[in-house]
Amino acid sequence: DVKVTQSSRYLVKRTGEKVFLECVQDMDHENMFWYRQDPGLGLRLIYFSYDVKMKEKGDIPEGYSVSREKKERFSLILESASTNQTSMYLCASSFADTKSYEQYFGPGTRLTVT
Amino acid sequence: AQKITQTQPGMFVQEKEAVTLDCTYDTSDQSYGLFWYKQPSSGEMIFLIYQGSYDEQNATEGRYSLNFQKARKSANLVISASQLGDSAMYFCAMREDYTGTASKLTFGTGTRLQVTL
Repeated sequence: DVKVTQSSRYLVKRTGEKVFLECVQDMDHENMFWYRQDPGLGLRLIYFSYDVKMKEKGDIPEGYSVSREKKERFSLILESASTNQTSMYLCASSFADTKSYEQYFGPGTRLTVT
Repeated sequence: AQKITQTQPGMFVQEKEAVTLDCTYDTSDQSYGLFWYKQPSSGEMIFLIYQGSYDEQNATEGRYSLNFQKARKSANLVISASQLGDSAMYFCAMREDYTGTASKLTFGTGTRLQVTL
């Protein structure tokens, strides 16, 4: 079974704090993704990575950065958390071969910034 | 730019009835993929069904089928014989097909389905 795990299900942080969200997958997937999910807006792509140390901006990268030092791990960093970053964050992974089309999702981290 | 539209924020269906969740898309690509995911209240995203743009037959997976109408750019999900456990948020998504970097998904805003007795 494919497993994508995220470090926390729930997280509460204060405005201005540096926040790390960790994602680990065990299927040797090349691609990893970070989304945020807000009511009425669906899932929006923040950043993705197609290889170790490689990253590309998604649709809403402002206020976020990412790190991928190992193939199985993809971290999302909020350099200085703000209240408008309160959201559900979902990590996903997939193979690079487009014939293997499915993205596998983690359970999500619900982040509250106060 | 790719866009996915789900016009039904919420739907109700009675147990054992069939229900159709609408999805329209906009793309200038010839090669693309369409997905449906289910998100129960627990939060995890569960892959349901996939349709490639060149697939001639509509995709089916158990009680799920995808009604793909390429000319209309629609990819509606049909759930037959609804069950209480089908109550969840449903997302339609589209994948760009290109090589080189990761294939990204663009998601719609979702439809919340409630199955009633």
